[in-house]
Amino acid sequence: NAGVTQTPKFQVLKTGQSMTLQCAQDMNHNSMYWYRQDPGMGLRLIYYSASEGTTDKGEVPNGYNVSRLNKREFSLRLESAAPSQTSVYFCASSSRLAGETQYFGPGTRLLVL
Amino acid sequence: QKEVEQNSGPLSVPEGAIASLNCTYSDRGSQSFFWYRQYSGKSPELIMSIYSNGDKEDGRFTAQLNKASQYVSLLIRDSQPSDSATYLCAVTRGGSNYKLTFGKGTLLTVNP
Repeated sequence: NAGVTQTPKFQVLKTGQSMTLQCAQDMNHNSMYWYRQDPGMGLRLIYYSASEGTTDKGEVPNGYNVSRLNKREFSLRLESAAPSQTSVYFCASSSRLAGETQYFGPGTRLLVL
Repeated sequence: QKEVEQNSGPLSVPEGAIASLNCTYSDRGSQSFFWYRQYSGKSPELIMSIYSNGDKEDGRFTAQLNKASQYVSLLIRDSQPSDSATYLCAVTRGGSNYKLTFGKGTLLTVNP
């Protein structure tokens, strides 16, 4: 099992460009999450998907959109990147059967110039 | 009031000592509690989960939960340099058994 995978690992964007961060899990988990991590701010929830077909806003959703493509895949889209979106982005997944423990992907480092 | 607060750190202990990491939370409805370890440049990985009051031991790690005091802690016995990392406390939100609120983390350094 690969667990949770994310692509790309690193990306540089110019202000105003768009991009999609991809996340996939092979653990048959129902719930998936997108976080951003900034120095001194901890992990903050951007969006989550409790189950296939549903998505909801987290603490910091502005400037982002998500798609739960199927049970395995959950993507995060930046329509018009801003320097304030420079961060490390983590995808995670969980299931009730696993005690709702969240398992994290390796992260995507995004730099917006 | 911050929802999950941790020792501000950094915390420095000598090799072989006990490291004590503390966390308080504000939501009395929280049901599940997790400690994650995060090495620099890496993703968080689960160390311990605890769901009921008392102690839970796993090797050199012991998690302690006191729901009345809204307090959860992690003890690391016989600390090793490889334990040097940031430790994140995470708590489920009342009314949700899967969304987590994370503390900002405590940086632990174990000196050889």
